[in-house]
Amino acid sequence: KQEVTQIPAALSVPEGENLVLNCSFTDSAIYNLQWFRQDPGKGLTSLLLIQSSQREQTSGRLNASLDKSSGRSTLYIAASQPGDSATYLCARRGSASKIIFGSGTRLSIRP
Amino acid sequence: NAGVMQNPRHLVRRRGQEARLRCSPMKGHSHVYWYRQLPEEGLKFMVYLQKENIIDESGMPKERFSAEFPKEGPSILRIQQVVRGDSAAYFCASSRTSGERDTQYFGPGTRLTVL
Repeated sequence: KQEVTQIPAALSVPEGENLVLNCSFTDSAIYNLQWFRQDPGKGLTSLLLIQSSQREQTSGRLNASLDKSSGRSTLYIAASQPGDSATYLCARRGSASKIIFGSGTRLSIRP
Repeated sequence: NAGVMQNPRHLVRRRGQEARLRCSPMKGHSHVYWYRQLPEEGLKFMVYLQKENIIDESGMPKERFSAEFPKEGPSILRIQQVVRGDSAAYFCASSRTSGERDTQYFGPGTRLTVL
């Protein structure tokens, strides 16, 4: 069974801290690995997409890494801000069609 | 370039009624994907369509659910004889191709409530 697991399920940190969100997947044959952000009652915003041939991607304060051999990806957020509070979803794309999502990490940044 | 559009944003139906959810992909995108997010659960893939064709419907319940993406007009997810367990957020995504480099862009979702 193809699964994507995210740890922790929830995280609360004070503003300014650097933090790491973890994602693991059971099948190393992937198309790409993507991190999304979901705000309450809203849709998904794509943050970073790492192709299977890549090891990491960076955008501003965000850095995502991919280790296919161990089935792991991490999302690093530097200098966290209250506006970063949201649910972060890791998603593994194993074929041309479907994306398999983790259940997310609910992040809260305390001012 | 407008993003993926879904309507309605909120839909209330009574048990036994039909629900029709519409999705207009981004301009230039011919690949559409539907996902369902049940309360307190993650998103689950339902179906992948390319203009006029269903490519992968492995996540779609076998009964009462159907999807189409006609040559003209939006993609439609249809749920017949809705039950309370169908209450969820339904998200549509689109992409230009199905290639590795192409991301799927998500719409704001339709929140279906079955009374």
